Amino acid sequence: EAQVTQNPRYLITVTGKKLTVTCSQNMNHEYMSWYRQDPGLGLRQIYYSMNVEVTDKGDVPEGYKVSRKEKRNFPLILESPSPNQTSLYFCASSWGGHNEQFFGPGTRLTVL
Amino acid sequence: AQKVTQAQTEISVVEKEDVTLDCVYETRDTTYYLFWYKQPPSGELVFLIRRNSFDEQNEISGRYSWNFQKSTSSFNFTITASQVVDSAVYFCALSARSNDYKLSFGAGTTVTVRA
Repeated sequence: EAQVTQNPRYLITVTGKKLTVTCSQNMNHEYMSWYRQDPGLGLRQIYYSMNVEVTDKGDVPEGYKVSRKEKRNFPLILESPSPNQTSLYFCASSWGGHNEQFFGPGTRLTVL
Repeated sequence: AQKVTQAQTEISVVEKEDVTLDCVYETRDTTYYLFWYKQPPSGELVFLIRRNSFDEQNEISGRYSWNFQKSTSSFNFTITASQVVDSAVYFCALSARSNDYKLSFGAGTTVTVRA
C-alpha cells in the first residue's frame, strides 16, 4: 500500500530535550516536505527536499533541522524544543511540488 | 510572494443544502497550481483536486465542483446536496514555479453539516 508513515504519532516532551520525528514514504517520490498545522493558520511549510541531499527552508524553519540521506526518509529534528513548537506536524511526499502531495497521518507534539 | 486567503472561517449548513467555499490567491507567476484538500475530524489530509493555471475549465466530481476564475484570482469549491460526511476542514493551497513550487495553504474553512 502506497503510504507516508510518521513516528511517533503523539509525543509529549520537555523544553530543551532533543527529539526526532521520522517520516518515510514507499512511493519513490523525489519531493518531501514538513508542515506544521496551528489553529487559524492552516498548514505552514517548515522544510522541503527536492531530492536526496537537497533540502531547503520553507516558511517557518526556525528551530528545526532536516536531512535527506535516502530517498524514502525525511526526518524532522528539533534540537532544543520550545513550547511554541507545540503543534500538529505533517510530513508529505510527491513527484514534485506542483503535484498532489500525499500526507502522513500527523504527529501531535506537545512541548512543556 | 504568494498567498492564499480563505475568508470563511466556519460554515454551518443543514444536510442537503449546497455550500460554497471561497478561495482567493495571490501570485505573480503565470505558471502555478491550485489544490483543495479535505481534513475530516479524524485528522488526515485528503487530496481533492489539482488545477494548473492554464486550465480554467470548471470541474465536477460527483457532488463536488470547482470554479476557477483567473480574472478574479479565485478557485471556489461547491458541495452540492451536502451530507454529514462532508463535515471537515477544507484547505485551498497554491504552488508556483518562482517559489520552487512550495505549497502555501489558506487558513482553512470548517464546514459543519447538521442532520
